[in-house]
Amino acid sequence: DIQMTQSPSTLSASIGDRVTITCRASQSVGIWLAWYQQKPGKAPKLLINKASNLESGVPSRFSGSGSGTEFTLTISSLQPDDSATYHCQQYNSYLWTFGEGTKVEIK
Amino acid sequence: QLQLQESGPDLVKPSETLSLTCTVSGGSIRTNDYFWGWIRQSPGKGLDWIASIYHSGHTYRSPSLESRVTISVDTFRNQFSLKLTSVTAADTAVYYCARFGETRGGFDYWGQGTLVTVSS
Repeated sequence: DIQMTQSPSTLSASIGDRVTITCRASQSVGIWLAWYQQKPGKAPKLLINKASNLESGVPSRFSGSGSGTEFTLTISSLQPDDSATYHCQQYNSYLWTFGEGTKVEIK
Repeated sequence: QLQLQESGPDLVKPSETLSLTCTVSGGSIRTNDYFWGWIRQSPGKGLDWIASIYHSGHTYRSPSLESRVTISVDTFRNQFSLKLTSVTAADTAVYYCARFGETRGGFDYWGQGTLVTVSS
C-alpha cells in the first residue's frame, strides 16, 4: 500500500498569511495527487487534481505543486472561508489512499 | 448537474452486514473514464477509501478491507452498492459515495454522506 503523510496535522494562521501544507507519499505516485477541502458536516470538495490543476471555480489563491513523493498545497493569502480540513489523496494502480488531513484554523 | 445520494440503514448490529446503495442522477453511471467509489470517515478521523468500481463491473478494494467488502453496480438503475460484512464498532463512520475521473484524477462529485452506527 502507498501511505500518505500530511503535515502539519493542525495549523493556526492569520488572515492574509501564506499557508503551506505538505503531503508525502511512501512511493512515487507521479502527479496523481489531489487536494480536497472539507468543512464540518460536509462532503469533501475537490480543489486540485493531478498535483497542480485547479478545479473550476476554486479561488486562485489555492495552488498545488510537486510530483513523485512530495507535494504541497499553498493558500497564498488566507481568508476566513478557508477555515477547514484539507486532505491529500493519491491514485496509483487502481488503489486510492488519503492523507490524515490538516486542520486549518484562523487566529 | 450530477448528484449522488447514499441510502441504507443507519444502525447495524455487530457481526452483521452493512449494506449501502448510491443512486446517481443527472448523468449516466455508464460514462467512460469514471470510477464510482465508496469512502468512509470515522468520527473525528481522516478519509478512508473502501472500494471503487467501473461500469463494466471491474472492482478495486482497499487491501485492509477487501476480505469483507463487496462492491457492485446496477447500470440499469444507475446505482452502485457496498456490502461490508462482520462489522464491528470500528466500522462506525460516515459513508460517502463519490465519482472519480480517471483522466482528471480526483473524486469530483460526492454524496452528502450517511452516518452508519454499529451497535447492539
